[in-house]
Amino acid sequence: KNQVEQSPQSLIILEGKNCTLQCNYTVSPFSNLRWYKQDTGRGPVSLTIMTFSENTKSNGRYTATLDADTKQSSLHITASQLSDSASYICVVSGEGNNRLAFGKGNQVVVIP
Amino acid sequence: ETGVTQTPRHLVMGMTNKKSLKCEQHLGHNAMYWYKQSAKKPLELMFVYSLEERVENNSVPSRFSPECPNSSHLFLHLHTLQPEDSALYLCASSRLAVGNNEQFFGPGTRLTVL
Repeated sequence: KNQVEQSPQSLIILEGKNCTLQCNYTVSPFSNLRWYKQDTGRGPVSLTIMTFSENTKSNGRYTATLDADTKQSSLHITASQLSDSASYICVVSGEGNNRLAFGKGNQVVVIP
Repeated sequence: ETGVTQTPRHLVMGMTNKKSLKCEQHLGHNAMYWYKQSAKKPLELMFVYSLEERVENNSVPSRFSPECPNSSHLFLHLHTLQPEDSALYLCASSRLAVGNNEQFFGPGTRLTVL
């Protein structure tokens, strides 16, 4: 079983609407969690990073939350734009190493 | 762009061909990585190099052969591949291979094996 599970696998949203992506992980001990955005044909680009003590972090219209007790994170996209169409990958790092556990990604399609 | 470049961006090869993927990072990092990304699967770590020394090989078949001549360049030599090796191959770099350093990814090479 993968250490990082993301849901939904894919979703389609109307331009201007909000959406929330979920990430559950089992990595322990935990160090940090990153959300990456991967456009089609491109490599992943980091959006946010959160450590154990952080609950919320924003980057423009992207807001990530973290509940380290329940090992859950979410990424909220506000007022979606066509350029938000991408795969959003949840990546968890364990304490003391740089080996990353990757989710399969949430595929988001924003339609006009 | 992230400062990590990869060439070629697309590659089609037969099972008997030999080809190489190239990665270059312009960030002054000391660690470099090769990942395989297949559809509907998480990224799979293949190799890790730290200061030009291979520090991790995740049970990758010998038909994939990495080379790191210096801390800025990383190659992946391919020979006698199988169709199931078709995937996006991503290179990444980080300041160090230990700790929790952010990994910066290149755009990837889309490989198709016929």
